[in-house]
Amino acid sequence: DGGITQSPKYLFRKEGQNVTLSCEQNLNHDAMYWYRQDPGQGLRLIYYSQIVNDFQKGDIAEGYSVSREKKESFPLTVTSAQKNPTAFYLCASTVLNQPQHFGDGTRLSIL
Amino acid sequence: AQSVTQLGSHVSVSEGALVLLRCNYSSSVPPYLFWYVQYPNQGLQLLLKYTTGATLVKGINGFEAEFKKSETSFHLTKPSAHMSDAAEYFCAVSGLGGSARQLTFGSGTQLTVLP
Repeated sequence: DGGITQSPKYLFRKEGQNVTLSCEQNLNHDAMYWYRQDPGQGLRLIYYSQIVNDFQKGDIAEGYSVSREKKESFPLTVTSAQKNPTAFYLCASTVLNQPQHFGDGTRLSIL
Repeated sequence: AQSVTQLGSHVSVSEGALVLLRCNYSSSVPPYLFWYVQYPNQGLQLLLKYTTGATLVKGINGFEAEFKKSETSFHLTKPSAHMSDAAEYFCAVSGLGGSARQLTFGSGTQLTVLP
């Protein structure tokens, strides 16, 4: 079955450490997205990519970085510059005029 | 620019009662509108969408929503709530053209179904 796989499901970060969240899709979708979800705030867009080797900042990109070297992969790095990284992170993908399809998320916590 | 307002961060209904979750949007272009459902520690699942055409949209699990342009609303309803409907629901809007793929989400409504 086609879908989006996010790993790991739970992740812990130490102070000063960068961590990378994986997002892989086998839906042959062009566009991919990263969202951050905090309680009571809905989803906020971090980064998005519409084609390979190109990506744009969303509303809350500071402290995060991404790459899009392959169509099916869009990893998100939470850097040490992100001072409040504890959240639920969701990856999504889509093709033109179709709804976004979501992965099951990664919950990031601080040790 | 787009925005979404979901009235009521928490809604409780009795099993078998009507479910009504409210969503109002603003958009500078004709909107595409979506409702998603999220169960604990899971991603979002699409319930239904409005793009063009019929303003009453039917989705999965017995949910439906009506696009009312004059009221800038897209409220979600279900005639009879089931215990399995307990979840968080998100309304989202996207615009046409260059921003067609950018979704703006509301802050969500947590639905509790009482036995």
